[in-house]
Amino acid sequence: DGGITQSPKYLFRKEGQNVTLSCEQNLNHDAMYWYRQDPGQGLRLIYYSQIVNDFQKGDIAEGYSVSREKKESFPLTVTSAQKNPTAFYLCGSSMATGSVELFFGEGARLTVL
Amino acid sequence: AQSVAQPEDQVNVAEGNPLTVKCTYSVSGNPYLFWYVQYPNRGLQFLLKYITGDNLVKGSYGFEAEFNKSQTSFHLKKPSALVSDSALYFCAVRDLSRGGYQKVTFGIGTKLQVIP
Repeated sequence: DGGITQSPKYLFRKEGQNVTLSCEQNLNHDAMYWYRQDPGQGLRLIYYSQIVNDFQKGDIAEGYSVSREKKESFPLTVTSAQKNPTAFYLCGSSMATGSVELFFGEGARLTVL
Repeated sequence: AQSVAQPEDQVNVAEGNPLTVKCTYSVSGNPYLFWYVQYPNRGLQFLLKYITGDNLVKGSYGFEAEFNKSQTSFHLKKPSALVSDSALYFCAVRDLSRGGYQKVTFGIGTKLQVIP
């Protein structure tokens, strides 16, 4: 079955450590996205990528980094510069950035210890 | 700038009764509207979308939504609620009339509680 896989589902990080969230899709979608979800704030866009080897900052990119070396993969690194990283992170994809709905993975919950 | 408002943090409805989850939007051009549902600790599942055409859009699991351009609303509805419909619902909008990448803006979500 086609879909978006986020792994692991639960992550724990000590303060000062970087952590990488994996996102893989086999939908052959061109565009991929990372959103952060906090209670009462909805979804906020961190980064997006329209094609391989290209990505753009979203609304809350500070303290995060991404790469897009392959069409199917869009990993997100939460760096030590992100002061409040505890959240639920959602990876999404779509056929193109301008015209269709987004599909999402199951999400990953990051907790800072 | 585009925006989405979901005025109700929570909606309670008795099982078997009709339900409505409200959404209003603001875009400078033509809207592309979505509804998603999220169960606890899960990703968002796409329910339905409106691009153009019939103002009443039918989607998954018996849900439908009514687009009202004059009121800039896109309310989610279901004729008969099920306990399994209890979840968090997100409305989202994208402005299709502008070129280049146009991000999707999500509302803050409305928790639907269906009471047995």
